[in-house]
Order: sequence, then structure tokens, then C-alpha cells
Amino acid sequence: GESVGLHLPTLSVQEGDNSIINCAYSNSASDYFIWYKQESGKGPQFIIDIRSNMDKRQGQRVTVLLNKTVKHLSLQIAATQPGDSAVYFCAENAGGTSYGKLTFGQGTILTVHP
Amino acid sequence: DGGITQSPKYLFRKEGQNVTLSCEQNLNHDAMYWYRQDPGQGLRLIYYSQIVNDFQKGDIAEGYSVSREKKESFPLTVTSAQKNPTAFYLCASSVRDRESQYFGPGTRLLVL
Repeated sequence: GESVGLHLPTLSVQEGDNSIINCAYSNSASDYFIWYKQESGKGPQFIIDIRSNMDKRQGQRVTVLLNKTVKHLSLQIAATQPGDSAVYFCAENAGGTSYGKLTFGQGTILTVHP
Repeated sequence: DGGITQSPKYLFRKEGQNVTLSCEQNLNHDAMYWYRQDPGQGLRLIYYSQIVNDFQKGDIAEGYSVSREKKESFPLTVTSAQKNPTAFYLCASSVRDRESQYFGPGTRLLVL
């Protein structure tokens, strides 16, 4: 079936740097995407979402970019802080009869060094 | 405080036993979801409910059952038919279907 995947399983950055986490999706019918942050032993925390009628959306210190041509999604974190260290998941919703079903990628581990 | 609560935080199951995981939300959300997460993996959908008294199977529903008698509550029962129940179980809710999903803190189920 269709799936969401991540290019890099781990990403290490220095505090203050900008981080970019990438995600490839294969279902061209997907029209809604969400980024989540999950700290160890906790539930995923919503970061930002984007619908397919947009190619960029900004939040506080985060930006999500959507390139539908190449089916690519990225999360940019500005001025990365140690508290940003976590696993980051992208998720897609394919719409139609998929209702609220989200398909999650495996996740990228972000480690921020002080 | 508005949010999603799950209980217990840890749950131990004996062989052949059914166990029920609680999920409650006071966000007035219509849709609720149950996911399973195995170590180093993403989330897989077990069941979801778009509205009270209605629910649908997800990708891995075998060995699980749910009910949605109240808007606020969506309990998950892990039955003895689920042969590999050890996992981290996450409940989520959204205002309505296909909106942002918000997650509870999770329940870790272990088999004795």
C-alpha cells in the first residue's frame, strides 16, 4: 500500500543551528499532512499541519514546505534548542474514503547538542 | 484543563486475559482514534470513531475491540486473541474527521 517515509533516520545539530527534517510520500491522493514531535515515553505532540492547496506554512520557529510535484514534505526548525531533541514524524491523510486515517512515517531522531 | 487522558500509564496482562485501556477527552471532539506504536516505529491505526455509536476498523483491528457510547470516551479492549499485545498504545482525538489529531500520553501494555 501507499506509505510515508523519511530520508534520514537521525539528525544531529548544534544548538542555534537551523534543522531540516525531510519526508517523502508516495500517495498522490494525499491532501493533508501533519508533523508531530514525540519525546521518549510520551504521546506525539502536534507541531504544524498543511493542506495540499498550500506549499508553505509557518508557525512559531517552524516552517513546513510541501512540494507536490516530487511528493516531498519538510519541516524546518529555526534556532534549534536542546528541548527540540525528540523523534519527529510526518503523517499524511489520503482523503476520499480514508476519512481520518493518518499514515505515519517511521520517524527521524533529532539530537541537539548544547 | 482541556485534554486527552489515558489510563493506566502501565498495564500488565496475563495470558488469556482481556484488558481495557481507557481514553477520555474533554475537548468536545467528535472523532477519536486508537494507535499502536512498537519500538522504533511509527503509529499504526487500530480503530477510529467519527461520531458517537459509530466506529471503523483501522489497519490492525484483529484482536482488539472498542465502543463509543459517549462522546468523551473511547475505551480499547485488548482481547486474548491479540497474540502480540506488548506495545505503546496511543489515543487521539480531532474536532472532526480529517482535522489535526491530538494525542494522549499513552498506555504501555506489557505481558506477564
